[in-house]
Amino acid sequence: DAGVIQSPRHEVTEMGQEVTLRCKPISGHDYLFWYRQTMMRGLELLIYFNNNVPIDDSGMPEDRFSAKMPNASFSTLKIQPSEPRDSAVYFCASSVAGQWGNTIYFGEGSWLTVV
Amino acid sequence: GEDVEQSLFLSVREGDSSVINCTYTDSSSTYLYWYKQEPGAGLQLLTYIFSNMDMKQDQRLTVLLNKKDKHLSLRIADTQTGDSAIYFCAERGSSNTGKLIFGQGTTLQVKP
Repeated sequence: DAGVIQSPRHEVTEMGQEVTLRCKPISGHDYLFWYRQTMMRGLELLIYFNNNVPIDDSGMPEDRFSAKMPNASFSTLKIQPSEPRDSAVYFCASSVAGQWGNTIYFGEGSWLTVV
Repeated sequence: GEDVEQSLFLSVREGDSSVINCTYTDSSSTYLYWYKQEPGAGLQLLTYIFSNMDMKQDQRLTVLLNKKDKHLSLRIADTQTGDSAIYFCAERGSSNTGKLIFGQGTTLQVKP
């Protein structure tokens, strides 16, 4: 099993630029999550999908952030325009109901630096 | 509401036992989890416990659950330097929305 695959692993961009983070969940998983991790705020749930439909986006910081899941094997998190305070590690994760409750499997993260 | 609390930091000597504690608020939680995050990596599931269990042992790991006090602990026996990481406690809330509620993570430092 390939696990959750995220790209890019690292990105450095200038303030004001658009950033797109990509995620391929584990095949067969019906939940997909986007988390953000910073030293100050810890691990925050931004948004999650069930069967490609957004269920809860209350964690999305502001309108500059958007997420899509056009099909069961792909999701994007977009930041436009980016700001230095968006610098963080962004994790994508997926799960399937039934196995050990809802065990969530995380990707390796996308390390974003906005300068 | 649902909330999970952990102490932020624990330092132990190599060979000692480590105990990482967690408290949660949702008494209806059915599953509780421990995740480990090594530097530069994502979170990996370490172990889980079902709410009708008091204890679960898996090699050097022992999970204790006190449902009355809503307290979960992770004990690592014979702690090694490779155990240095951030440990996250998480619960599946009663609403079964599919998401987990994570604590803020406990950084375990193992000194040689």
